[in-house]
Amino acid sequence: EADIYQTPRYLVIGTGKKITLECSQTMGHDKMYWYQQDPGMELHLIHYSYGVNSTEKGDLSSESTVSRIRTEHFPLTLESARPSHTSQYLCASSVDNNYGYTFGSGTRLTVV
Amino acid sequence: ILNVEQSPQSLHVQEGDSTNFTCSFPSSNFYALHWYRWETAKSPEALFVMTLNGDEKKKGRISATLNTKEGYSYLYIKGSQPEDSATYLCASRGSQGNLIFGKGTKLSVKP
Repeated sequence: EADIYQTPRYLVIGTGKKITLECSQTMGHDKMYWYQQDPGMELHLIHYSYGVNSTEKGDLSSESTVSRIRTEHFPLTLESARPSHTSQYLCASSVDNNYGYTFGSGTRLTVV
Repeated sequence: ILNVEQSPQSLHVQEGDSTNFTCSFPSSNFYALHWYRWETAKSPEALFVMTLNGDEKKKGRISATLNTKEGYSYLYIKGSQPEDSATYLCASRGSQGNLIFGKGTKLSVKP
């Protein structure tokens, strides 16, 4: 049973559309993360949050934005999707830095 | 940005074989090393979090070692089974507390 949920699992959308990828966790974790992975490549951190109203950009530059209004919810938004945004997006959370991350099942985004 | 390297990129073994793969990471400013197993169509699952030089951890037939002075970790699987087929990711935790991942080793175990 998943403790961190991502929706949608797959999304095909046209260029210029605004999209929001949802991520919710039921474990009460303060730390949450968004990773992006292109085929055959590493997971790259694009956003993270260490608590409510705290968000930071990760190592990989991204045109997406995030918000953290509630502990359990960490949505990612693309205001205007482009084909270059086609990728897999993984959400994760952790209780603190001494424990492994719990990952969601990911969203495969295709922008046509 | 830390560079985490994993080898080999892929590995094909027969059921019952034992296998191992390597994760290399910069030894300076080291905080922790994570291993994950990622099966197709599932979420990455945490296997180990290792922090001390010389650490050895074990979970069933899977074990891992850590050498922080030279910057490497080994993951061992004893008596591989088809259900061990997955991509194994390692990640090093940097100064900000965020994980830097390698590309993974894709393991295929044939019955």
